[in-house]
Amino acid sequence: DTEVTQTPKHLVMGMTNKKSLKCEQHMGHRAMYWYKQKAKKPPELMFVYSYEKLSINESVPSRFSPECPNSSLLNLHLHALQPEDSALYLCASSQQLAGVYNEQFFGPGTRLTVL
Amino acid sequence: DQQVKQNSPSLSVQEGRISILNCDYTNSMFDYFLWYKKYPAEGPTFLISISSIKDKNEDGRFTVFLNKSAKHLSLHIVPSQPGDSAVYFCAASALNYGQNFVFGPGTRLSVLP
Repeated sequence: DTEVTQTPKHLVMGMTNKKSLKCEQHMGHRAMYWYKQKAKKPPELMFVYSYEKLSINESVPSRFSPECPNSSLLNLHLHALQPEDSALYLCASSQQLAGVYNEQFFGPGTRLTVL
Repeated sequence: DQQVKQNSPSLSVQEGRISILNCDYTNSMFDYFLWYKKYPAEGPTFLISISSIKDKNEDGRFTVFLNKSAKHLSLHIVPSQPGDSAVYFCAASALNYGQNFVFGPGTRLSVLP
C-alpha cells in the first residue's frame, strides 16, 4: 500500500464549528506532516510529527490542533476557524531514515471552506 | 521572502518537444532538491530528486540539472506528453531545516497535442 488517504475530500464549516481532518498511511512511515495550500501558492508546512511526537509547529494558530494517535494516523482538529483559513489541507508522510533525505508522499488533500 | 522561486507561472509546449522548467533558490544551505508534479484534485507526487554533490540526475524522460554556483536547477522532460500537463513544484531542503522541504510557487505545464 503506497497511498496516503485523507478524509473528508471536501468540508464546509462555520466559524463556530468544531471539525477534524483525518489522514492515514500504511507504508510504515514514521514522519507525518500537515501542509496548508492556498490557491496558486506552494504548500506551506504547518506541523511535523516524528515517531508520533510533535517535532515542528510552524507558528500555527491554536485554532488548529494536530494529533497523532499512532504511527499510521494523523488528525487535524479545527475550532473557531476564520474565512481566511479556507484552503487545501495536505497530509504527507515519509520515512525517517537517518543520514538521508526522505521524499514525502502526499495525500489528495481536504478542500476546506470556512463560511 | 521566497527562498525557492519558479519565475514562470505557466509554460506551453508541443507534444514530442522538450519541456524545461526552471527553479532558483536563495539559501546556500540547501543541499537537496526535489520536483513534484500535481494534478488537479490530487496531492503532489514525487518525480525526481538531486543531491548537491551531483549536477545531473536522470530517470527515464525526466532529467534534473543543478548549477550550485548559480543556485539554479531545471527539470527537462523529453519527449513531452499530454499526460505531463500538471503543476510542477520545485522543493529544497537543508539539514538545519530538519530535512523538511521549502516549496516553490509552481509552474503550470501544458503539453499541447
